[in-house]
Amino acid sequence: NAGVTQTPKFRVLKTGQSMTLLCAQDMNHEYMYWYRQDPGMGLRLIHYSVGEGTTAKGEVPDGYNVSRLKKQNFLLGLESAAPSQTSVYFCASSYGGDRYGYTFGSGTRLTVV
Amino acid sequence: GDSVTQMEGPVTLSEEAFLTINCTYTATGYPSLFWYVQYPGEGLQLLLKATKADDKGSNKGFEATYRKETTSFHLEKGSVQVSDSAVYFCALMSGGSNYKLTFGKGTLLTVNP
Repeated sequence: NAGVTQTPKFRVLKTGQSMTLLCAQDMNHEYMYWYRQDPGMGLRLIHYSVGEGTTAKGEVPDGYNVSRLKKQNFLLGLESAAPSQTSVYFCASSYGGDRYGYTFGSGTRLTVV
Repeated sequence: GDSVTQMEGPVTLSEEAFLTINCTYTATGYPSLFWYVQYPGEGLQLLLKATKADDKGSNKGFEATYRKETTSFHLEKGSVQVSDSAVYFCALMSGGSNYKLTFGKGTLLTVNP
């Protein structure tokens, strides 16, 4: 029962480097989300997807790009990392609707130096 | 826009004490309301939810009642345990929002033996 799997779990980047965070779910969920969690800020939505091949901006999309080429995968890219992107990133997925809520991954802790 | 306000933490209690974490919201229409819990080093897990006014969500001894007149969804537990130590997030989902969750900033609860 894997649920939502995020890779990597930890990463340190230098300013200006790029990387991709991978989120994979095995529950056949249509909806997928990327959030960042910062102290005192709660969770803020970066981008989300309502189905394979779709993406949309959330609350804090600047500096990030996403892709959903396959239904089970949702990738978050940082093209040129900045120290302000130091955060814990969570992926979540859902069927849609309010009946079941979201299933979250265990997070990726990213530090940009 | 939608927003969630929850009481500032941290909250420190002794085992078997009564817990209340306040949560109020602002939203258009009639949102669904959720409480999520995050244990150290883990992702968020759905704790309970309520989808319409006067509904009571409950799970693991925790309860919250959807109060439309006061736009509140306060979390309560009659007797906390050390294992309840975690961060608690209140969240809402508005209709027509593509099932996006808006989170409060979280409340850290520490229960001492």
